Amino acid sequence: QSALTQPASVSGSPGQSITISCTGTSSDVGNYNLVSWYQQHHPGKAPKLIIFDVTKRPSGVSDRFSGSKSGNTASLTISGLQAEDEADYYCCSYAGSNTVLFGEGTKLTVL
Amino acid sequence: QLLLQESGPGLVKPSETLSLTCTVSGGSMNSNNYLWVWIRQPPGKGLEWIGSFFYSGTSYYNPSLKSRVTVSGDTSKNQFSLKLTSVTAADTAVYFCVRYVRFSDQLDHWGQGTLVTVSS
Repeated sequence: QSALTQPASVSGSPGQSITISCTGTSSDVGNYNLVSWYQQHHPGKAPKLIIFDVTKRPSGVSDRFSGSKSGNTASLTISGLQAEDEADYYCCSYAGSNTVLFGEGTKLTVL
Repeated sequence: QLLLQESGPGLVKPSETLSLTCTVSGGSMNSNNYLWVWIRQPPGKGLEWIGSFFYSGTSYYNPSLKSRVTVSGDTSKNQFSLKLTSVTAADTAVYFCVRYVRFSDQLDHWGQGTLVTVSS
């Protein structure tokens, strides 16, 4: 199992939209509609779930966060960027047999 | 409100065994809907799934760590545990215990994490 591929960093200005990709294989991202995304403001602190089941948002998560998937690649889009969105973002996919894979993580900088 | 709390030594010597326990409160581990998971994050690096425990007693492991890892649970105590043998400096990390919602890929409740340093 290899980690899912994410860009190391992305950036955007307040008010803009950004998209973070998460590329896996036909054994994980491509095979299940079970992709989630996590926001981590401080390394070593517990991440926060922001998207699950590819497109769903937990209660209380802003609708500026949205998810999608095409083939082996899932994506997280953040619209109307705000300073508070600056954080590390991780994707996660079910990989079968009750195992999961994380992405490498993407650092979002709000300019 | 479901709470998870990690406990165990913060310092482990190289070649020894790392042992952590997660205590679950505010809910029961006895459910078909959840897996009870260990995840770690080395300093400055990303998240890594270590393994998970199902209430029936079955455990599942990251293939890259499988030879050194045991995840077990005691549902009567609402606890699950991690043992990682033959540790090296590369095992230095913050270790999180987490609840995973099956069939929905949600890691929805996280412990605060505990830093384990491997050093002599």
